[in-house]
Amino acid sequence: DGGITQSPKYLFRKEGQNVTLSCEQNLNHDAMYWYRQDPGQGLRLIYYSQIVNDFQKGDIAEGYSVSREKKESFPLTVTSAQKNPTAFYLCASRTSGRLFFGEGSRLTVL
Amino acid sequence: AQTVTQSQPEMSVQEAETVTLSCTYDTSESNYYLFWYKQPPSRQMILVIRQEAYKQQNATENRFSVNFQKAAKSFSLKISDSQLGDTAMYFCAFMKHAGRGNKLVFGAGTILRVKS
Repeated sequence: DGGITQSPKYLFRKEGQNVTLSCEQNLNHDAMYWYRQDPGQGLRLIYYSQIVNDFQKGDIAEGYSVSREKKESFPLTVTSAQKNPTAFYLCASRTSGRLFFGEGSRLTVL
Repeated sequence: AQTVTQSQPEMSVQEAETVTLSCTYDTSESNYYLFWYKQPPSRQMILVIRQEAYKQQNATENRFSVNFQKAAKSFSLKISDSQLGDTAMYFCAFMKHAGRGNKLVFGAGTILRVKS
């Protein structure tokens, strides 16, 4: 089935550790996005990429990094510089005027 | 920069009744897309309905319809014959039609509770 796969679904990390969230799509979409969602709040854009080897910061990029070496993959690294990383992270890809979302990754910092 | 405002943090409706969720947005773009997404407790983002700004006709998907007022920059969602499964967070979102920096901008969301 075509779609977007995020892993892991749940992740726990100790303070000071970097962690990488995976996002893979087999929809052949050029554009991919990472959003963060805090409890009871809307989605805020972290990073996005419109083409391989190119990406732009969103509204809350500080403490995060991404890469886009392959069209199918857009991993997000939450670094130790991110002050409050506990959140729900959603990856999406886009074709023309439609976004498709993964099922999300829940990161908890202990 | 585009902004999306949902002024109703929470709403409730009786099963089988109709409810309208409000959304306003601000943009200088002339061509764009507007969306309503549903996020149930599973947290999966589900596209409810999509409207292209250049189309004057309001989009409809089964029990869901929109009232798109381009001049007023308003995009409300009407849910008819509400069902218990409609209970979810609803997000209004905006996206430019094309060009660099094309990203989806979300409102803060409205929690909808359908009561039996």
